[in-house]
Amino acid sequence: KQEVTQIPAALSVPEGENLVLNCSFTDSAIYNLQWFRQDPGKGLTSLLLIQSSQREQTSGRLNASLDKSSGRSTLYIAASQPGDSATYLCAAFTGGGNKLTFGTGTQLKVEL
Amino acid sequence: DGGITQSPKYLFRKEGQNVTLSCEQNLNHDAMYWYRQDPGQGLRLIYYSQIVNDFQKGDIAEGYSVSREKKESFPLTVTSAQKNPTAFYLCASSIARERNTEAFFGQGTRLTVV
Repeated sequence: KQEVTQIPAALSVPEGENLVLNCSFTDSAIYNLQWFRQDPGKGLTSLLLIQSSQREQTSGRLNASLDKSSGRSTLYIAASQPGDSATYLCAAFTGGGNKLTFGTGTQLKVEL
Repeated sequence: DGGITQSPKYLFRKEGQNVTLSCEQNLNHDAMYWYRQDPGQGLRLIYYSQIVNDFQKGDIAEGYSVSREKKESFPLTVTSAQKNPTAFYLCASSIARERNTEAFFGQGTRLTVV
C-alpha cells in the first residue's frame, strides 16, 4: 500500500527566502506525482505534474523534482512571497489500485 | 469557464438523514473521484468512476453511495450509515485514470452534522 509523507508539517519563513518542501513515497511504481496548493477552506489547485519518466518540472518560481528510485520529490519555491502562504500537498498516482495517494501536507507561512 | 463545480459550499445534516453532494464538470473528463479531508489527515478516496455507469469503491466507501448516469455528473450521497460524516468533501476529475494525466479539483463542500 502506497504511503506518502510530507516534511515538515509546518514552515514559517521570511519573505524572499528560497525554500524546499519534501515529499516521500513508499512504492516507487508510480505513474506520476502531482503537487497541489490548498488555501484555507478551499479546494486544491494543481501546481505541477511530474510524469514518472521525468526528473523535474518548472512553472514560474516553482520547480518540482522527482527521484523514483529513492521515493522522493521536492518542491522548490524561489523568492517566496506572502501570497505563497498556503498548504502544499503532494500526491502519488499509483497504477495498482489506480488512485492518487496524498500526503498530509506542509503548511507554509511567508512573513513580511 | 471550464472547471469542476461542487454544491453546496456548506451543508448541514441532522442525525439519521441522507444528504447528497453535487459535483459537475465541463472538462469532458472520463474519470471522476470523491475524496474526504479531515484535519491533520491527507485526502482519502471514497469512490471513483472511470466511465459512465461504472464506479468503484475507494478506501473509505462505507456509509457513502454514488451514481454516474452522465459523464458530467458524479453525485455523492452521505447516508445515515456513515457514523462520522463531518468533514470537507472534494470532487476531482481527470481525462482517464490509466493515463499519465493531471487531476483537477472542485472547491469543496463542508458537511457538518448538527
